[in-house]
Amino acid sequence: KQEVTQIPAALSVPEGENLVLNCSFTDSAIYNLQWFRQDPGKGLTSLLLIQSSQREQTSGRLNASLDKSSGRSTLYIAASQPGDSATYLCAVILSNDYKLSFGAGTTVTVRA
Amino acid sequence: GAGVSQSPRYKVAKRGQDVALRCDPISGHVSLFWYQQALGQGPEFLTYFQNEAQLDKSGLPSDRFFAERPEGSVSTLKIQRTQQEDSAVYLCASSLGDWAYNEQFFGPGTRLTVL
Repeated sequence: KQEVTQIPAALSVPEGENLVLNCSFTDSAIYNLQWFRQDPGKGLTSLLLIQSSQREQTSGRLNASLDKSSGRSTLYIAASQPGDSATYLCAVILSNDYKLSFGAGTTVTVRA
Repeated sequence: GAGVSQSPRYKVAKRGQDVALRCDPISGHVSLFWYQQALGQGPEFLTYFQNEAQLDKSGLPSDRFFAERPEGSVSTLKIQRTQQEDSAVYLCASSLGDWAYNEQFFGPGTRLTVL
């Protein structure tokens, strides 16, 4: 069974600092990896999707890297803002599968 | 609508009651997924539909859980004789295609509390 781990579980930074969120997975035979944002009481918003053949994806202040062989992905958020406060989840799909396997998330607080 | 919608958003049930949770996927989306998210955890897969066919129900925790999508659009997740351990957020997701190629779009979830 695919195990997805996110470290740290919680993170608090002052506004303007760069955020680094880590995700690791045990089975490297993945089809793709997604990063999601979840606000309290809300559903999941997809931030970035990286196909297994890609090394990184960028969207605005967000950049996600993927090292499939070592089973790791990192989400970078540049120049953090209080509005970035949320829980960030990573999820993978195995190559012969269709369902997402999620980590438990990293809860981020950006202090004004 | 523009996105995946779920109803009700909140449900409180007494232990032993039956509940039904509804999901309206994005129009035209072939695939529909149900996930269960316990407090402080990531979502866990429950079941998967391709059109009206339930192709995978391996994640359903017990035979008290039942899901259907009779016309290949709206889906209902039913939980019979609810237990306290069923308390969680139930998330529905849909995707355009029939395999992993396509991004999954999530609804806001239904928060179920069993007293």
